[in-house]
Amino acid sequence: QSALTQPPSASGSPGQSVTISCTGTSSDVGNYNYVSWYQQHPGKAPKLMIYEVNKRPSGVPDRFSGSKSGNTASLTVSGLQAEDEADYYCSSYAGRNNLAFGGGTKLTVL
Amino acid sequence: QVQLVQSGAEVKKPGASVKVSCKTSGYTFSNYDMNWVRQATGQGLEWMGWMNPTSGHTGYAQKFQGRVTMTRDSSIDTAYMELSSLKSDDTAVFYCARRVRDGDYIDHWGQGTLVTVSS
Repeated sequence: QSALTQPPSASGSPGQSVTISCTGTSSDVGNYNYVSWYQQHPGKAPKLMIYEVNKRPSGVPDRFSGSKSGNTASLTVSGLQAEDEADYYCSSYAGRNNLAFGGGTKLTVL
Repeated sequence: QVQLVQSGAEVKKPGASVKVSCKTSGYTFSNYDMNWVRQATGQGLEWMGWMNPTSGHTGYAQKFQGRVTMTRDSSIDTAYMELSSLKSDDTAVFYCARRVRDGDYIDHWGQGTLVTVSS
């Protein structure tokens, strides 16, 4: 199973929007609408932010949104806030009950 | 509320094995697959595999096949992950993670267990 490809870093000023990409293949991201996104602050466990491409769990601000086109999924954070600074990971179902994670993107709020 | 509480930090020598436990509460243990995820210090998340608590069926990432064993004790709603033939680059935090079958996403994580492999 191969890891999904994410940019190592992204940044934006407070109030701005930033989009993080997650590129897979036709065997994972491109073949299933089972892409999820996780936020991880230093020293903490990951937290689910988006599931099934664009659904938000209860309690996640609507500033977080997800989308997918072909083999690439995206997470957009609108109205950036200081507390959004964290690492973000995408994940996709990859067939035969396997999951794949992206390498992670460090989001910096300038 | 859903809780996944993992066992404490471990220090192991190269070649040894480690077994991490994940005690669950707040939900029906058999209704969700348990997954394990590794995170080396300063690195990303790495999916290790899954276990169906009802059947005991498992599936492991190719990288860990032959070295990892996932089991459970349903009488105490606890999952286990054992990793053998430890190497220094196995030093990492290991997370148990509850996976929603319809949607294939992880909605709850354990707090993580640090395993240090050092001679």
